Amino acid sequence: GENVEQHPSTLSVQEGDSAVIKCTYSDSASNYFPWYKQELGKRPQLIIDIRSNVGEKKDQRIAVTLNKTAKHFSLHITETQPEDSAVYFCAASIENTNAGKSTFGDGTTLTVKP
Amino acid sequence: DAGITQSPRHKVTETGTPVTLRCHQTENHRYMYWYRQDPGHGLRLIHYSYGVKDTDKGEVSDGYSVSRSKTEDFLLTLESATSSQTSVYFCAISVQAKNTEAFFGQGTRLTVV
Repeated sequence: GENVEQHPSTLSVQEGDSAVIKCTYSDSASNYFPWYKQELGKRPQLIIDIRSNVGEKKDQRIAVTLNKTAKHFSLHITETQPEDSAVYFCAASIENTNAGKSTFGDGTTLTVKP
Repeated sequence: DAGITQSPRHKVTETGTPVTLRCHQTENHRYMYWYRQDPGHGLRLIHYSYGVKDTDKGEVSDGYSVSRSKTEDFLLTLESATSSQTSVYFCAISVQAKNTEAFFGQGTRLTVV
């Protein structure tokens, strides 16, 4: 089955700096890669996703890059703000099949210091 | 919130008792999932459903069963609760297609004593 590894497990940055979280996956058939943000005591919420036919996707201060050859994808947050502090999860799956359900990374706790 | 509600939100139960968690959605989505979340383990899939009476096992299904007799309800049952099943349980749906973006319910915190 799929194995997703996420690094680092904790990340602390100063407000205004950039933050990068990296994930690797094992199943070359995976083609859908979402990122979720979970604030303390809340549910995970999708913040951005990327499909394997795209190398990069941006949404305001957030971007995701995908390297299919190396089987890794990364979340980039620019101009970090205290409200970006949360746990971030990556995931990988095979879209629209009966196999290849979502496998999640173990999460990265991001702390943005004012 | 994609119309997902979980009940109960919190539950404390004793070892060996059966427990059923309910996930209810109001928007007629076909694809539903149950995850558990434990510190250091992210989210792990317990069971999933691609439609009424169409359910299957995820990666951590031992000790759990599910039922989906109506589109709107997906029930997770712990037949005989154990302390290792103390966790936060999240129900989720996919809107676009199988195994795509998940919209999560608020979660159920279950403690087995």
